[in-house]
Amino acid sequence: NAGVTQTPKFQVLKTGQSMTLQCAQDMNHNSMYWYRQDPGMGLRLIYYSASEGTTDKGEVPNGYNVSRLNKREFSLRLESAAPSQTSVYFCASSDFSGLTGYEQYFGPGTRLTVT
Amino acid sequence: ELKVEQNPLFLSMQEGKNYTIYCNYSTTSDRLYWYRQDPGKSLESLFVLLSNGAVKQEGRLMASLDTKARLSTLHITAAVHDLSATYFCAAEKYGGATNKLIFGTGTLLAVQP
Repeated sequence: NAGVTQTPKFQVLKTGQSMTLQCAQDMNHNSMYWYRQDPGMGLRLIYYSASEGTTDKGEVPNGYNVSRLNKREFSLRLESAAPSQTSVYFCASSDFSGLTGYEQYFGPGTRLTVT
Repeated sequence: ELKVEQNPLFLSMQEGKNYTIYCNYSTTSDRLYWYRQDPGKSLESLFVLLSNGAVKQEGRLMASLDTKARLSTLHITAAVHDLSATYFCAAEKYGGATNKLIFGTGTLLAVQP
């Protein structure tokens, strides 16, 4: 049971390049999320998907797109990377439970540097 | 709009001492979550507080929730070095197709020998 996995772990891009961050979960959760973590700012929600086939914007969606490929996979795409997108990106998943509410399970993260 | 504030942002404490981290949130939320993050690692769930008055304990950590005061606390008893980490609280935001978590900026805890 791997939980939430993310690839790649590290990436360096030049300004203007594009890339896709991959996320997969094996917990059969309906909801999946993408966050970015910057020093002193906690985690900020970029996009989320409440269920297969649906996606919605979070707090900081500009410059990003997402695809919920199936129930397991949720990808984040940077079409034209900018230095302001240098960050650590976390994917998470959850399902509602009477015991744990909407507790989210996080992947290991992707450290992205844009030069 | 739901905002979550933690204080202190940085806490340096000696082993064996007690201290409390505070988490305030700005609008109604009935569920509150605490996570731990070690340097360079992911977030690990510590506590899920599902209702007013909820109290959870694990080892030297105890978390509580007062929804009327919009306040959660994480109390550390007799700190040890292994507790050094960043601690995040997150309040649940209602609405939309699924509820979401709004995170505080985190409290960096450094326990000195």
